Amino acid sequence: DSGVTQTPKHLITATGQRVTLRCSPRSGDLSVYWYQQSLDQGLQFLIQYYNGEERAKGNILERFSAQQFPDLHSELNLSSLELGDSALYFCASSGSLFGGGNTGELFFGEGSRLTVL
Amino acid sequence: GDSVTQMEGPVTLSEEAFLTINCTYTATGYPSLFWYVQYPGEGLQLLLKATKADDKGSNKGFEATYRKETTSFHLEKGSVQVSDSAVYFCALSLGSNYKLTFGKGTLLTVNP
Repeated sequence: DSGVTQTPKHLITATGQRVTLRCSPRSGDLSVYWYQQSLDQGLQFLIQYYNGEERAKGNILERFSAQQFPDLHSELNLSSLELGDSALYFCASSGSLFGGGNTGELFFGEGSRLTVL
Repeated sequence: GDSVTQMEGPVTLSEEAFLTINCTYTATGYPSLFWYVQYPGEGLQLLLKATKADDKGSNKGFEATYRKETTSFHLEKGSVQVSDSAVYFCALSLGSNYKLTFGKGTLLTVNP
């Protein structure tokens, strides 16, 4: 158990809809990262937040947005969904306040599998 | 930009066989290198890492050495087990935000 919790585990929706994926990082971790895993693209970095602020941006579509809340949990919002958005979305966290700082290791949740029909 | 290239597989081995999964990287700076493993139905977990040239990371019988001259970080294990069946990802991290750039992953299947 990595300590990172993602909900929902599975989600099936239709094209054009909007969904929200939620991530609770490990206790004390300040950084949250979102990744998209698909068969053709592999693991693609989407976005990173650090203590509520956007820190780095990757291949995130304009239809997607994210935020990190004061309690450090994060949400990834996907809108105007297309068939190609079907993928496994991972959240990872790092940078513990409770000693060790950031060792470079990311701790991954089990992912949210999104299926767009 | 920074990138990681690894053999895509799939790789199928018999138990106790020797494993090598090749990984090379391109980076504008001096990255840290990682191998992550993803077991079926689970998230990724760190297998081993190396932060500077000639460092050897090791864990659970797996090893990889950071070779700056060949920009490589090949994963090896002398004797694989059925329980090693998983997808293995090579990754690099550069800069203070610790964002990981991953290779496409290599599916390993070990048969008894």
